[in-house]
Amino acid sequence: GAVVSQHPSWVICKSGTSVKIECRSLDFQATTMFWYRQFPKQSLMLMATSNEGSKATYEQGVEKDKFLINHASLTLSTLTVTSAHPEDSSFYICSARRTAGAMNTEAFFGQGTRLTVV
Amino acid sequence: AQSVTQLGSHVSVSEGALVLLRCNYSSSVPPYLFWYVQYPNQGLQLLLKYTTGATLVKGINGFEAEFKKSETSFHLTKPSAHMSDAAEYFCAVSPSGGYNKLIFGAGTRLAVHP
Repeated sequence: GAVVSQHPSWVICKSGTSVKIECRSLDFQATTMFWYRQFPKQSLMLMATSNEGSKATYEQGVEKDKFLINHASLTLSTLTVTSAHPEDSSFYICSARRTAGAMNTEAFFGQGTRLTVV
Repeated sequence: AQSVTQLGSHVSVSEGALVLLRCNYSSSVPPYLFWYVQYPNQGLQLLLKYTTGATLVKGINGFEAEFKKSETSFHLTKPSAHMSDAAEYFCAVSPSGGYNKLIFGAGTRLAVHP
């Protein structure tokens, strides 16, 4: 299967700072990427969908000014958590899908990023 | 609203025993259903999926799942557990079809004992 890499795997930051998480598709072009968030012992929750070259679509209840998503190239999407607070501590996972509009194309997941805000 | 319920956050089996991980879903339209596995410090890997057609779906590593519409279930089974099967398993539904907006269950951690 295709490989999706997230960086960093874990990060600790101070409250009030911003953190950028990268999601790269290593061996395919991803026109669509998805960002999920997972709280301990809870489900993965879709935060937003991003298509290369356009603005991300955020799910209801997700603050787009706090969770900035950029998908400027076909192999890279970034999620920036701005002015992070302890309640933003979570596990963030991205997935990448090859072809825009082809809903039956499998989406491949990154290994996730553990964010801890202190 | 669509949802996924995985019964049992932890399941423990002996090596060689049957593995049964339960998943029930709610969806107002025919769903696509998925099982993913996550090993420590790794991403989610697709085990199998149901879209249309045959209701018994075979996946990788000897796993299979059966879509039962009348029971709104998609339970995951494997006849004989291996130590390497120890991982977190997630059931997911895509109520609109395809891989958009996957709704995940809370996950089941499978432990396999010698």
